Amino acid sequence: DAGVTQSPTHLIKTRGQQVTLRCSPKSGHDTVSWYQQALGQGPQFIFQYYEEEERQRGNFPDRFSGHQFPNYSSELNVNALLLGDSALYLCASSLYGTGGEDEQYFGPGTRLTVT
Amino acid sequence: AQKVTQAQTEISVVEKEDVTLDCVYETRDTTYYLFWYKQPPSGELVFLIRRNSFDEQNEISGRYSWNFQKSTSSFNFTITASQVVDSAVYFCALSQLNNFNKFYFGSGTKLNVKP
Repeated sequence: DAGVTQSPTHLIKTRGQQVTLRCSPKSGHDTVSWYQQALGQGPQFIFQYYEEEERQRGNFPDRFSGHQFPNYSSELNVNALLLGDSALYLCASSLYGTGGEDEQYFGPGTRLTVT
Repeated sequence: AQKVTQAQTEISVVEKEDVTLDCVYETRDTTYYLFWYKQPPSGELVFLIRRNSFDEQNEISGRYSWNFQKSTSSFNFTITASQVVDSAVYFCALSQLNNFNKFYFGSGTKLNVKP
C-alpha cells in the first residue's frame, strides 16, 4: 500500500519563476493538505483540497494556488517566486469528514530552493 | 487563535538517558486534538500519537510516554532510555475538531542522542 508520494524531490528555481509541485495521496484518502516548512520552523498550513475544491486556506498570498484532480492527486502552484518561498513543501492526505481525530499521513516533501 | 509552543529548540543527551520534550498549546475550543510527530533527516513526518481533549489519561508505548494536562495546557513527551535512532526533530501539533485536519504545528525540538 503506497503512502503519500510527492514529486519532484528537489527543485531549484529563480526569482520570478513559477513552480508546480505534485502529490498523490495515500490509497483510500480523498483529502489533500499542503504545508510549507521553512528551515528550522514547523510546518505552516497552506490550504486543503477535497472534492476538487479548496476547503481551507492558511495565511498565504494568492501566489499560492492549487488543484485537485478526480483521482484525488493534487498540485501546488507558486507564481512569481520569492527568495522567501524556499522551503520544504509537505503534502498530507486524510479522509474527509473525520475532523481532527483522523491521522494525517505526510509525504517526504519537495525541497524548493529559490535563487 | 490556536498556537503551539515548543520552547526547547534543541536538546542533547547521552544514550540511555531519559528526555522530556515540552509542548504548550493555546486554544479556545473545548474539543481539540493534540499530536506528536517525528521528523528524521529524510524529512517525512512520522505520526507518533494523537490525543483528544476529553482524554487526559497518560499513555505509554514502549519507551515513549505522553503526559497530557489540560490544567496547564501541556502535552509533554518523554523518551525513556533514549537511543541514537531517536535523534530527530519532534513536532507537537494542535487540530480543531471542526477544521478538517488543519494542523497548527509548534516550531519543533531537535533531539540529539549521542552514543
